[in-house]
Amino acid sequence: EPEVTQTPSHQVTQMGQEVILRCVPISNHLYFYWYRQILGQKVEFLVSFYNNEISEKSEIFDDQFSVERPDGSNFTLKIRSTKLEDSAMYFCASSRTGQNTEAFFGQGTRLTVV
Amino acid sequence: AQSVAQPEDQVNVAEGNPLTVKCTYSVSGNPYLFWYVQYPNRGLQFLLKYITGDNLVKGSYGFEAEFNKSQTSFHLKKPSALVSDSALYFCAVRDTSTNAGKSTFGDGTTLTVKP
Repeated sequence: EPEVTQTPSHQVTQMGQEVILRCVPISNHLYFYWYRQILGQKVEFLVSFYNNEISEKSEIFDDQFSVERPDGSNFTLKIRSTKLEDSAMYFCASSRTGQNTEAFFGQGTRLTVV
Repeated sequence: AQSVAQPEDQVNVAEGNPLTVKCTYSVSGNPYLFWYVQYPNRGLQFLLKYITGDNLVKGSYGFEAEFNKSQTSFHLKKPSALVSDSALYFCAVRDTSTNAGKSTFGDGTTLTVKP
């Protein structure tokens, strides 16, 4: 069964460093997303991406965040200068269409900023 | 704007008993509704969805959910709980006019099934 894969599963970084979280969405999906879950809290939408551009973003997704689809398979989330409060589980998701289909989630990358 | 509420942080049931995990929603248009399950240190697994049609939808692992438009609810149910059902359950809603992924999630309900 096709699945969304994310690497690494756990990333530890020093405050102020840049990190790139990587995702390989399901191959025939056209919409891609990043969500964040701070430990013990709810899942929060960060950004959606379609046709090589951001289609929607939340207030959390400020200038320190960026997304890119550098090739036909990868979808990345970059955090330019990490802060302690960026520590969270980051989930990538993809969906086949932009309408009445569910999003499929990866296993997540746990980011720890020290 | 869209929102979803899961009024119970925790639900405890005995194995073999029926379980219900509650969810209510608010959208300006028509809702798409989803349930996801999260096991410890794992991602979100899709369980079931309501898009249109029958109000009772069936999903994975014997779960079902009933869409009630008048009560704006989408409660998750299972007739006979298993210990392995113990996990964190999230309800999510999306207004039909928005992009597929921009779902709003509830705070989650921890289900504990005791032997």
